[in-house]
Amino acid sequence: QVQLQESGPGLVKPSQTLSLTCTVSGGSISSGDYYWSWIRQPPGKGLEWIGYIYYSGSTYYNPSLKSRVTISVDTSKNQFSLKLSSVTAADTAVYYCASYSGYDFDYWGQGTLVTVSS
Amino acid sequence: DVVMTQSPLSLPVTLGQPASISCRSSQSLVYSDGNTYLNWFQQRPGQSPRRLIYKVSNRDSGVPDRFSGSGSGTDFTLKISRVEAEDVGVYYCMQGTHWPPNFGGGTKVEIK
Repeated sequence: QVQLQESGPGLVKPSQTLSLTCTVSGGSISSGDYYWSWIRQPPGKGLEWIGYIYYSGSTYYNPSLKSRVTISVDTSKNQFSLKLSSVTAADTAVYYCASYSGYDFDYWGQGTLVTVSS
Repeated sequence: DVVMTQSPLSLPVTLGQPASISCRSSQSLVYSDGNTYLNWFQQRPGQSPRRLIYKVSNRDSGVPDRFSGSGSGTDFTLKISRVEAEDVGVYYCMQGTHWPPNFGGGTKVEIK
């Protein structure tokens, strides 16, 4: 069974870039079975899909965040990463990585809280 | 984008009683392959979301049979036949038929 684990700084200053990494275990990121996705959840609010990447490097982003988001993949490390630039307090959220089958999100990481504050 | 609307926002339920959550989409969720990619997720307090139901009515492995999904087109329902204490949390519907994938706003199930 695929397992995912997020890692990265829990505190980011306003206007800086948020960077997170998701490590995949129990399966190869290069298998082609999934798109590798990021989803976020502001405190007390709902779920927002950020974007996903295929092992080949093809990326798909939520139009509302596209100008600030970059997702990349490192198949040698079985990892994929998120960068969100020019962050504000509105980007404070729990960030989840998840596997996307093309139609739904099968496996999720435990999530990591990122707070944007000076 | 497809808009997913859930109701109610909050659902207080007595233990052992049934619960029903509605999810409506702004467009039909029937895909060109004939499947309807409407999924339900449960998020218990302090946990990450867990998929309960996929393609409208298929329960995931390990999901109790008191959970059931139904519906078609634009109207969908998640039912809990007899609510137990472990069912407390927020439930989200999610559509994967149209790009981008997106979630409903969530329904919070709590015990009266």
